Amino acid sequence: QQQVKQSPQSLIVQKGGISIINCAYENTAFDYFPWYQQFPGKGPALLIAIRPDVSEKKEGRFTISFNKSAKQFSLHIMDSQPGDSATYFCAASRRGPGNQFYFGTGTSLTVIP
Amino acid sequence: EADIYQTPRYLVIGTGKKITLECSQTMGHDKMYWYQQDPGMELHLIHYSYGVNSTEKGDLSSESTVSRIRTEHFPLTLESARPSHTSQYLCASVYGNTEAFFGQGTRLTVV
Repeated sequence: QQQVKQSPQSLIVQKGGISIINCAYENTAFDYFPWYQQFPGKGPALLIAIRPDVSEKKEGRFTISFNKSAKQFSLHIMDSQPGDSATYFCAASRRGPGNQFYFGTGTSLTVIP
Repeated sequence: EADIYQTPRYLVIGTGKKITLECSQTMGHDKMYWYQQDPGMELHLIHYSYGVNSTEKGDLSSESTVSRIRTEHFPLTLESARPSHTSQYLCASVYGNTEAFFGQGTRLTVV
């Protein structure tokens, strides 16, 4: 069973536009929701993360919106640039010695000039 | 830059060979993970460890084994490589319930 569901699978956005990627989770025990960015040939790297005690977190052009009641969170990339073209993964994890990171299936973002 | 290293970066081997993919981290993280990822595709958890002498299988059966004798070292071994093992293998480490740091990955091709 997929613990974290991510959509869309791929996304094409014009330069300067807004890119939006959505994720939904099932386990209400999750308390850490990061987004990872991966360029070809590289490992994923943390982009931005949020905990469920806030509804939004912004870092530069990147914003996470979090809806605890709907068990959904999304990544918004404002003023998208060609350099943002990468694969984005959402993830979820919870505290405790047995916690795992559960990743979404990834979204391939292409920003066209 | 995260202090987690994977070697080799690229490997081409013949079917039936035994191989070990190395992963080391210098951050003292207790949790380490191995993921299998086809290019541009999702990450599949194949093994994880919560500390020394702790190893668990993940969701994907990969016919591989791992060991965790030292905190900093988490090698992955394929006893008999097959073409179906051709993929990218990513190692990650985590401290507590926070950021996962990934290595650069090992791209394995079995011919």
